[in-house]
Amino acid sequence: DAKTTQPPSMDCAEGRAANLPCNHSTISGNEYVYWYRQIHSQGPQYIIHGLKNNETNEMASLIITEDRKSSTLILPHATLRDTAVYYCIVRVSGNTPLVFGKGTRLSVIA
Amino acid sequence: NAGVTQTPKFRVLKTGQSMTLLCAQDMNHEYMYWYRQDPGMGLRLIHYSVGEGTTAKGEVPDGYNVSRLKKQNFLLGLESAAPSQTSVYFCASSSPGLNTEAFFGQGTRLTVV
Repeated sequence: DAKTTQPPSMDCAEGRAANLPCNHSTISGNEYVYWYRQIHSQGPQYIIHGLKNNETNEMASLIITEDRKSSTLILPHATLRDTAVYYCIVRVSGNTPLVFGKGTRLSVIA
Repeated sequence: NAGVTQTPKFRVLKTGQSMTLLCAQDMNHEYMYWYRQDPGMGLRLIHYSVGEGTTAKGEVPDGYNVSRLKKQNFLLGLESAAPSQTSVYFCASSSPGLNTEAFFGQGTRLTVV
């Protein structure tokens, strides 16, 4: 699975959009990009995933660049409850486990 | 719908003691995983299973054993606990395939003194 690079921390004002970047320059054509988050000490929670097209669900949007070497997770209206560590994971096969890096610690500030 | 349930939630062990952590899922998932998380770190995979009766090693398997005798349960055993195994342990389950999500339990906080 390709390696990902994320900034260690970011701040976002409450009510504003939070844009979390992820670099995966070695991604191959059949690898998916997944995003999970971990609030405080709870178990990680799935957010969204995609292959090459932009994706949106009730939680967030995922924007993948045309060359697929990077992506951005967008939380459109961040709230204090979105304060968490966000993990970007690249995965080539549904038969392989998720491999977590250190993620980005997002702090939403009132 | 309980999802993924881990037992116990907290435990303190003395060095050399043994214990078993239980993970149970009610979603009929084929795959189950055990991770550990140390302070300030991401999750690291210990062992995983792709079906009943099967197990495989992850990134940090030493000092742990696992068993998957029933599809819904995945047990993690520590035969002789060491202080280095002080950590938060997370279990997860998922279906096969790329268009699936993994569901995580709430964790077991283990302290070895």
